Amino acid sequence: SQQGEEDPQALSIQEGENATMNCSYKTSINNLQWYRQNSGRGLVHLILIRSNEREKHSGRLRVTLDTSKKSSSLLITASRAADTASYFCATMNSGYSTLTFGKGTMLLVSP
Amino acid sequence: DAGVIQSPRHEVTEMGQEVTLRCKPISGHNSLFWYRQTMMRGLELLIYFNNNVPIDDSGMPEDRFSAKMPNASFSTLKIQPSEPRDSAVYFCASSLLLRVGGVGGPTYNEQFFGPGTRLTVL
Repeated sequence: SQQGEEDPQALSIQEGENATMNCSYKTSINNLQWYRQNSGRGLVHLILIRSNEREKHSGRLRVTLDTSKKSSSLLITASRAADTASYFCATMNSGYSTLTFGKGTMLLVSP
Repeated sequence: DAGVIQSPRHEVTEMGQEVTLRCKPISGHNSLFWYRQTMMRGLELLIYFNNNVPIDDSGMPEDRFSAKMPNASFSTLKIQPSEPRDSAVYFCASSLLLRVGGVGGPTYNEQFFGPGTRLTVL
């Protein structure tokens, strides 16, 4: 079953705008990861946030984690057309070594 | 580093035929994962190996699917006989499983994905 559920399913914005994607999950996690997938390609790891962390930054990416609400958000600032892709959250449950992926958010950034 | 290598990139076959997908993980990684991606079901974990040993194959849909990892640098996923509903993109991923703080400590494993094999069963 899917652990992470992304919201929205699709997002369309203009270049330069910020994009925010959300992820909700159901059980206790060890860490949560965000991945990106360009059309026809494999997934690429973007950022990992541990269960004891609340916020993490990497370049134009900002990830937050609220374990009390079992939710995470991915913010891409100053978006570019090249950011067009699908974005997936993946959770690693406590006591396990595998990731469970959501169905992703399709982001379209128009020039 | 060449990354995770998968072959073939595309496979078109007829129902009932045997299909073998291949994966070469990143050198030094000790975990390997096989996923299947479809529009309807998203990304599903089929099976994963740690140190060449299958750990969890509960995601394998049925007995028609089998996976092997004879050594640290090679894995196969076989479907025999194939059916049209097996049509999907199959991804292999590898990672270095880390355990911090000894037994019971947290594990962090970023996964590196291959480009995938797009399988079409007619």
